[in-house]
Amino acid sequence: DAKTTQPPSMDCAEGRAANLPCNHSTISGNEYVYWYRQIHSQGPQYIIHGLKNNETNEMASLIITEDRKSSTLILPHATLRDTAVYYCIVRARSYSGGGADGLTFGKGTHLIIQP
Amino acid sequence: DSGVTQTPKHLITATGQRVTLRCSPRSGDLSVYWYQQSLDQGLQFLIQYYNGEERAKGNILERFSAQQFPDLHSELNLSSLELGDSALYFCASSVTGTGTDTQYFGPGTRLTVL
Repeated sequence: DAKTTQPPSMDCAEGRAANLPCNHSTISGNEYVYWYRQIHSQGPQYIIHGLKNNETNEMASLIITEDRKSSTLILPHATLRDTAVYYCIVRARSYSGGGADGLTFGKGTHLIIQP
Repeated sequence: DSGVTQTPKHLITATGQRVTLRCSPRSGDLSVYWYQQSLDQGLQFLIQYYNGEERAKGNILERFSAQQFPDLHSELNLSSLELGDSALYFCASSVTGTGTDTQYFGPGTRLTVL
């Protein structure tokens, strides 16, 4: 799986949009971008994933650049409960139909929502 | 709530002992993954099972073993425990266990080795 680079920490004011960047310049064509978050020692929570088109769900939006070398996770109206470590993970599709290794978590971005 | 359950929530034991952590996957999920999160190593993949069979191994120590039972629940066995095994242990599950299958994590078991 391709390596990702994220800023170690970010602040955002409550009610504003939080934009979390991720660089994955070595991503290959069959690799997806996944985002998870972990709120203070709880289990990681799946947020969203995408291949090349922008994606949106009830939690967030994922914007992937046209060259796919970077992406941004957008939390549209951040609340204090969004304070967490956010992980950007690049994940290959397994065309063989066989097994998959586990997710490779980096250090992520510690997002702090300020009241 | 992800639908993945783990027991116990907390476990305190002594060095040299053996413990068993239990995980029940989401309904319909056939694959189970185990992860360890320690302060110095971050979140690390240990092992994956699919429908009762071992599918992939990560950084799992030889002192650790796992299995997945016919009802699809899984157990992680940790033996000859050392102080450094103190960590959060998470279980995740997914439907098919293939590369782009989304994994859903349980709440974790906090293991403290004294």
